[in-house]
Amino acid sequence: GQQVKQSSPSLTVQEGGISILNCDYENDMFDYFAWYKKYPDNSPTLLISVRSNVDKREDGRLTVFLNKSGKHFSLHITASQPEDTAVYLCAAGLMATGGNNKLTFGQGTVLSVIP
Amino acid sequence: EAAVTQSPRNKVTVTGGNVTLSCRQTNSHNYMYWYRQDTGHGLRLIHYSYGAGNLQIGDVPDGYKATRTTQEDFFLLLELASPSQTSLYFCASRRTGSIERLFFGHGTKLSVL
Repeated sequence: GQQVKQSSPSLTVQEGGISILNCDYENDMFDYFAWYKKYPDNSPTLLISVRSNVDKREDGRLTVFLNKSGKHFSLHITASQPEDTAVYLCAAGLMATGGNNKLTFGQGTVLSVIP
Repeated sequence: EAAVTQSPRNKVTVTGGNVTLSCRQTNSHNYMYWYRQDTGHGLRLIHYSYGAGNLQIGDVPDGYKATRTTQEDFFLLLELASPSQTSLYFCASRRTGSIERLFFGHGTKLSVL
């Protein structure tokens, strides 16, 4: 089954508004959580990440909220700009022993910020 | 900035064909990954490796083989390509201890006719 899920395939936000992207996961052993951004015809790049020992991390206009009991994390983008228009991929993983470390991605949410 | 180079950028083959996708990273990263990207599925992990000669099975390995010949080079092999393998393939690498920070190549677009 899908271990990391983004239930909204798309989101449209007015310029200047707050974009809220959501991600749910199934494995309660996950301890690393990340958001990647992908423009068309480009590769994904890491936006922001958190580890399980915190429930919030801010970086400029970006904030990640982690709710471990609910197995949910979200990305908030304040003062959304048209250049924020992209595909946003959430990802989660765990640092297992023996080298078995992998990052599992969600299906992606297409964010459109309209002027 | 970490460098991950994939080749070819585009590839067209026929059903039953033999295809090798190449990935090279010059970051001295131990971990390398092969993902495929499909609409509605995001990125799905095919195979990965944490060093030369090592191979780990990902989440969608059927129909794919992989080989890590050196720390720099990771290959994805499709020995009997099928139309269901038409996809955009991404290679990524990361250093040990930074599981969330993957550096991706530009992708290989594969079409199986």
